Amino acid sequence: QEELVESGGGVVQPGRSLRLSCAASGFTFNDYGMHWVRQGPGKGLEWVALISYDGSNKYYSDSVKGRFTISRDNSKNTLYLQMNSLRAEDTAVYYCAKPLSDGRSPFDPWGQGTLVTVSS
Amino acid sequence: EIVLTQSPDFQSVTPKEKVTITCRASQSIGSSLHWYQQKPGQSPSLLIKYASQPFSGVPSRFSGSGSGTDFTLTINSLEVEDGATYYCHQSSSFPWTFGQGTKVEIK
Repeated sequence: QEELVESGGGVVQPGRSLRLSCAASGFTFNDYGMHWVRQGPGKGLEWVALISYDGSNKYYSDSVKGRFTISRDNSKNTLYLQMNSLRAEDTAVYYCAKPLSDGRSPFDPWGQGTLVTVSS
Repeated sequence: EIVLTQSPDFQSVTPKEKVTITCRASQSIGSSLHWYQQKPGQSPSLLIKYASQPFSGVPSRFSGSGSGTDFTLTINSLEVEDGATYYCHQSSSFPWTFGQGTKVEIK
């Protein structure tokens, strides 16, 4: 079955960087655009970024534009999120999510999430 | 940015009761509205896609309706396992956005 497994979360100081990974299995990874979504502690869901199936197009929320970079390695079936200049408000569980079909379809499945804590 | 506003924020319900959650969009989004369930400590899971289409494996007590700006998620005959937070999500235009969530507590 389709599965997404995130890794790379941890505690990081404000202003520092962190890279998240999302390993995909059970589907043809290079057929799908992929998303990152985050959820602050006790808060709702916030869409973060989308990358097209071939990596040629990338979209970001205003809150992370210029600081975060989404990328993918289709040879490794892996999605990445490079997070630079981290702020306290970036503290969240980060999920990777696959669209059902095209980039405008709903998300399923979601990974289990990886927690990023930005704190001095 | 399209803002999605859910109501209520919280609902305490007895098993077998009917639950209705609404989601209002700040502008028309056609049927590009989806519903997710998130249980504590778990990832969200898709319930309803494109306003009214049940996702595979979702119990028939869950249904969705609406189009344009007003949408509804209905849970008929609530079961104990339905205690969760429910989110609506629009994929009509970037950036994708979510409602603030509705927490359903089982009495």
